[in-house]
Amino acid sequence: DTEVTQTPKHLVMGMTNKKSLKCEQHMGHRAMYWYKQKAKKPPELMFVYSYEKLSINESVPSRFSPECPNSSLLNLHLHALQPEDSALYLCASSPWGSPLHFGNGTRLTVT
Amino acid sequence: KQEVTQIPAALSVPEGENLVLNCSFTDSAIYNLQWFRQDPGKGLTSLLLIQSSQREQTSGRLNASLDKSSGRSTLYIAASQPGDSATYLCAVQGVTGANSKLTFGKGITLSVRP
Repeated sequence: DTEVTQTPKHLVMGMTNKKSLKCEQHMGHRAMYWYKQKAKKPPELMFVYSYEKLSINESVPSRFSPECPNSSLLNLHLHALQPEDSALYLCASSPWGSPLHFGNGTRLTVT
Repeated sequence: KQEVTQIPAALSVPEGENLVLNCSFTDSAIYNLQWFRQDPGKGLTSLLLIQSSQREQTSGRLNASLDKSSGRSTLYIAASQPGDSATYLCAVQGVTGANSKLTFGKGITLSVRP
């Protein structure tokens, strides 16, 4: 079991849909992350939030919109995605400068 | 730019073998190094973290070492079991602060045969 909970586990969406991925942790971690992982590739960093403020955006297209409404929640809003955006989306959290704890991810398929 | 290499990409061993997984990185100015395990379709599980000032960490049958000057880390798995079959990723964090991103290797897919 993981202490970082991601919902939904699987998501299928069309290119015109709007959907959101959710991530929740109650470990008091003040850094939260979104990663994207394609099959047989390592995770790629998308966004980092520190103390609910966006601190890193790795030049991610605007069709991905992150949101951190409070210290326990992290959302990723999706709009007008492309089939090549299909991937495993991983959320992680960490105390300041300490190991990352990953969730089990959301498997996204864009049709 | 930091680059992390893990070779080979895949490894198959019989149960009971002691094995070593290698990781190399190009920039020795790191904050820490982490080893993760990933099962198919799942997230990453942190196995061991070695701070830049440390030489090794141990957890159960796992031992990770770090030689920062040569840019190398090894993950030693003792008495391997079929349940150890997974992909093992090495990741290094840079020194530009707690927000500096992890740079991952491509991983080693381990298969332990009964």
